Amino acid sequence: QVQLVDSGGGVVQPGGSLRLSCAASGFIFSTYGMHWVRQAPGKGLEWVAYIRNDGSDKWYADSVKGRFSISRDNSKSTLYLQVNSLRVEDTAVYYCAKDHLDTWAFDYWGQGSLVTVSS
Amino acid sequence: QSALTQPASVSGSPGQSITISCTGTNSDVGSYNLVSWYQQHPGKAPKLIIYEVTKRPSGVSNRFSGSKSDNTASLTISGLQAEDESDYYCCSFATTDIWVFGGGTKLAVL
Repeated sequence: QVQLVDSGGGVVQPGGSLRLSCAASGFIFSTYGMHWVRQAPGKGLEWVAYIRNDGSDKWYADSVKGRFSISRDNSKSTLYLQVNSLRVEDTAVYYCAKDHLDTWAFDYWGQGSLVTVSS
Repeated sequence: QSALTQPASVSGSPGQSITISCTGTNSDVGSYNLVSWYQQHPGKAPKLIIYEVTKRPSGVSNRFSGSKSDNTASLTISGLQAEDESDYYCCSFATTDIWVFGGGTKLAVL
């Protein structure tokens, strides 16, 4: 069965960095585009970034462009999100999500990894 | 890119039908048949219930249905059940290669 396991979250000071990871299993990882979606405490969902199955295209929300970087290692079936220059407003649960058959929907989600930006 | 507009809350009684609207613009909902809907219970990851406006993933109840007219998409839940009480989010692919979510709707089953 498809499984996505998010990790790497934690507490970081403003301006700091983290690398989030998402370990995938149960499907051919190299076949699918992948996303990061975040949710601030008590708030709604916000799409963050997308990477094509082969890593050839990467798209970002304006709110994170230039600070966050999405990448993947298909040999390890792992998705990454490097988050730099963190701001208080980046505090959120970060979910990785699998693209659904190139329909631009998110059919499987990780359990989420909490990033708290606080001084 | 602004968020899609959803009502903050809706409610219904068991057995009834409810509809949640999702209003965007001609840069997102109106331009693509790429609207999806997600159900999220408290403390849990979202679950895909509708994709490409009207399609249901395998295993999702046929009580959930989707539609779209111009810049507004809609999710209808028929035969409401207590387990449907949850938060619901719409999402659309948009021009400039991004995805935009709605603000979410809290469904209460009274």
